[in-house]
Amino acid sequence: EAGVAQSPRYKIIEKRQSVAFWCNPISGHATLYWYQQILGQGPKLLIQFQNNGVVDDSQLPKDRFSAERLKGVDSTLKIQPAKLEDSAVYLCASSSGAWGNQPQHFGDGTRLSIL
Amino acid sequence: AQSVTQLGSHVSVSEGALVLLRCNYSSSVPPYLFWYVQYPNQGLQLLLKYTSAATLVKGINGFEAEFKKSETSFHLTKPSAHMSDAAEYFCAVSGNTGGFKTIFGAGTRLFVKA
Repeated sequence: EAGVAQSPRYKIIEKRQSVAFWCNPISGHATLYWYQQILGQGPKLLIQFQNNGVVDDSQLPKDRFSAERLKGVDSTLKIQPAKLEDSAVYLCASSSGAWGNQPQHFGDGTRLSIL
Repeated sequence: AQSVTQLGSHVSVSEGALVLLRCNYSSSVPPYLFWYVQYPNQGLQLLLKYTSAATLVKGINGFEAEFKKSETSFHLTKPSAHMSDAAEYFCAVSGNTGGFKTIFGAGTRLFVKA
């Protein structure tokens, strides 16, 4: 089966600019996650979707980050305006269930550098 | 609240030696536990998972982990390290708290010496 697709792989922007990331989950996976992984740390959940509804966005900095999952398939994550501390790898993952007992399948991530 | 602690941010072993990566968790409900591996510039890949069946779980690439409830541990082992095992390893816990959120540990980087 095709894996989780993410684009772009790399992005360099200046602070205060905006940026968007795209994710296409594994076909049929109802649950989609966006994680932020800062160098040397484990992934931190930003937002979790179940189909096109938000399950958890408690750690999403809503003043600058937004995410949507139209039609319950693809998803986009946007940062506007970007800050230096947003430099990180943004990982998208999907799973077949939302109950925590199913493993997550990860894309290769987008490495974001803020100048 | 759930949490995961990985003891040792870096572990170095010789090729052919035992690999032991430590993970302790806290959870107020029976947890689901996972080990993932991350190679440079890639996403995380599932090594193995514990979901309340057998306490000794076998995964891919010769890795296994044992769930010990009394010690709240889920350590990852491999009898003989290979150079290709060099990577970052993450322990993760999820369960019926906090909306089934999965919490990842900070990771342990494994170095394998020739």
